[in-house]
Amino acid sequence: TQLLEQSPQFLSIQEGENLTVYCNSSSVFSSLQWYRQEPGEGPVLLVTVVTGGEVKKLKRLTFQFGDARKDSSLHITAAQPGDTGLYLCAGARYNFNKFYFGSGTKLNVKP
Amino acid sequence: DTGVSQDPRHKITKRGQNVTFRCDPISEHNRLYWYRQTLGQGPEFLTYFQNEAQLEKSRLLSDRFSAERPKGSFSTLEIQRTEQGDSAMYLCASSSPRGGSLSGNTIYFGEGSWLTVV
Repeated sequence: TQLLEQSPQFLSIQEGENLTVYCNSSSVFSSLQWYRQEPGEGPVLLVTVVTGGEVKKLKRLTFQFGDARKDSSLHITAAQPGDTGLYLCAGARYNFNKFYFGSGTKLNVKP
Repeated sequence: DTGVSQDPRHKITKRGQNVTFRCDPISEHNRLYWYRQTLGQGPEFLTYFQNEAQLEKSRLLSDRFSAERPKGSFSTLEIQRTEQGDSAMYLCASSSPRGGSLSGNTIYFGEGSWLTVV
């Protein structure tokens, strides 16, 4: 069993639609990161959230950290084909010794 | 480019051969991580170093795997007697500038080393 569960696993939408990806756990994290990964490449950091209830915006992407620091969401407004990729959430426990990853959400945005 | 760099990017090897991957972390980072990722899955933790000390190893890291970070800078991951099940992307990441600022709560990845065992 994974410490972080992501949903949905797969998402195929039309350009211009909105979507939300969820990252849930029963454990508390001191911080949570979202990454985007393209085939054959390493994950690229999008954002780090550290405070419960925190909301961060990155252009059309909105990230939220749950109040209890157990979950997070990524919302994309007006998705574009360039948003296609694997979205990964990762959480750090309090000692930052290990970062736990979800299994990812594979997003396909069709033109 | 001062990001995490990995070498080689791609390696095809015959079953039973040994392979070694190298990782150069971001220069001021004292923590270095190795992860393994297979298609369609998230990265799985293998091991991490703080400076030259290997502080934790996953049960995924069988005795055929060994990682070193001799001078607390670059690291190597060696796989001996490779098996087809070792085929995966091996990701290196680093974090935590020396001095322990809050950016230690984020890890930065290299581009990965793809291993194919035939």
